Amino acid sequence: EVQLVQSGAEVKKPGESLRISCKGSGYSLTSFWISWVRQVPGKGLEWMGRIDPGDSYTNYSPSFQGHVTISADKSISTAYLQWSSLQVSDTAMYYCARRYNSSWFDYWGQGTLVTVSS
Amino acid sequence: SYELTQPPSVSVSPGQTARITCSGDALPKQYAYWYQQKPGQAPVLVINTDTERPSGIPERFSGASSGTTVTLTISGVQAEDEADYYCQSADSSGTYVVFGGGTKLTVL
Repeated sequence: EVQLVQSGAEVKKPGESLRISCKGSGYSLTSFWISWVRQVPGKGLEWMGRIDPGDSYTNYSPSFQGHVTISADKSISTAYLQWSSLQVSDTAMYYCARRYNSSWFDYWGQGTLVTVSS
Repeated sequence: SYELTQPPSVSVSPGQTARITCSGDALPKQYAYWYQQKPGQAPVLVINTDTERPSGIPERFSGASSGTTVTLTISGVQAEDEADYYCQSADSSGTYVVFGGGTKLTVL
């Protein structure tokens, strides 16, 4: 059974760094791209960027370029989303999702709630 | 930047037909996909490649495409269909994934 299991909820202060994870199982992580999707409470889905875990090639939405970093460790079937300096506006639910053949997202993680507050 | 436009809300009575549109200039070149999201849950794919229904999705869900607009149709709406619905596609180059703003379906 294919699963994407994300790390737990986080509460951080502005300016702090953070890395959240997404562990794939039931398939080879290197076979499909992993994307990260943001959902601010009460708002819609926003695509942040994606990684090819096979070669670690990434591309980012212009809206998120330079503010987050997506990475992966294929040896442990895990993708990551990280911030070097969080802002209050980063408060949101973050989902990882597997993109099937550069098309649709067929499997999603359960989401990681990140709360940034002073 | 490229955008997909959806109506913010659609309301129908049980048993009626709900239609949710999604418009974007690149839709003639790029496939569209539809997701259902219920409160507190991750999105679930209900239509892929404009018109295909994944296994396990009820037959009352269907998709259509015409020019720069794609449409999700839910025939015989049930109370359990009340949710947010999002279209997803890509820009004309296929580089960037884009989601529509979402449509809240209310079953009266």
